[in-house]
Amino acid sequence: EVQLVESGGGLVQPGRSMKLSCAASGFTFSNYGMAWVRQAPTKGLEWVATISYDGSSTYYRDSVKGRFTISRDNAKSTLYLQMNSLRSEDTATYYCTRRHFDYWGQGVMVTVSS
Amino acid sequence: DIQMTQSLASLSASLEEIVTITCQASQDIGNWLAWYQQKPGKSPQLLIHSATSLADGIPSRFSGSRSGTQYSLKISRLQVEDTGIYYCLQRYSNPPTFGAGTKLELK
Repeated sequence: EVQLVESGGGLVQPGRSMKLSCAASGFTFSNYGMAWVRQAPTKGLEWVATISYDGSSTYYRDSVKGRFTISRDNAKSTLYLQMNSLRSEDTATYYCTRRHFDYWGQGVMVTVSS
Repeated sequence: DIQMTQSLASLSASLEEIVTITCQASQDIGNWLAWYQQKPGKSPQLLIHSATSLADGIPSRFSGSRSGTQYSLKISRLQVEDTGIYYCLQRYSNPPTFGAGTKLELK
């Protein structure tokens, strides 16, 4: 059974950093591109970033370029999202998904507030 | 960026009724369209991929269709457990973009 389990969220002040993790199991992690999708409270879904199966290619939405970094450790079957210079508009539940958006984690809440 | 327009923000229907939710793409995306259901406090669940293919474990009362750049999700006989918010997603080109969602409630 495919499982994606996010961790690392919480409350953070504007301008600070936070790193999310997503532990994958039930499939061969190193064969799949992965992505992060977020959802602000009471809002719709918004793609954030994608990484290729081997980490060689990454893609970001414009509003997070230069602030967020997606990465992976295939030996640990873990996906990461390093978020720097956080803003209030980054407040959202962050979901880890496979690149084709077929399986999703349960989500982790990130609140950016002073 | 490709815009995905779900014209109906909300929809109310009766049990056993046929329900259709639509999504319009701003340009040709072929069959690179998926549908999701999201319940409160839960992550989205894939219902349909490749515009018309039913995802594993999804009841056959759900179906997807395409006419040009308009895509439809049909629920043939609405059940209580089908309430929630439905989103379309295009992954034809970067960035992948979602529709704004259609909230389906029971009448």
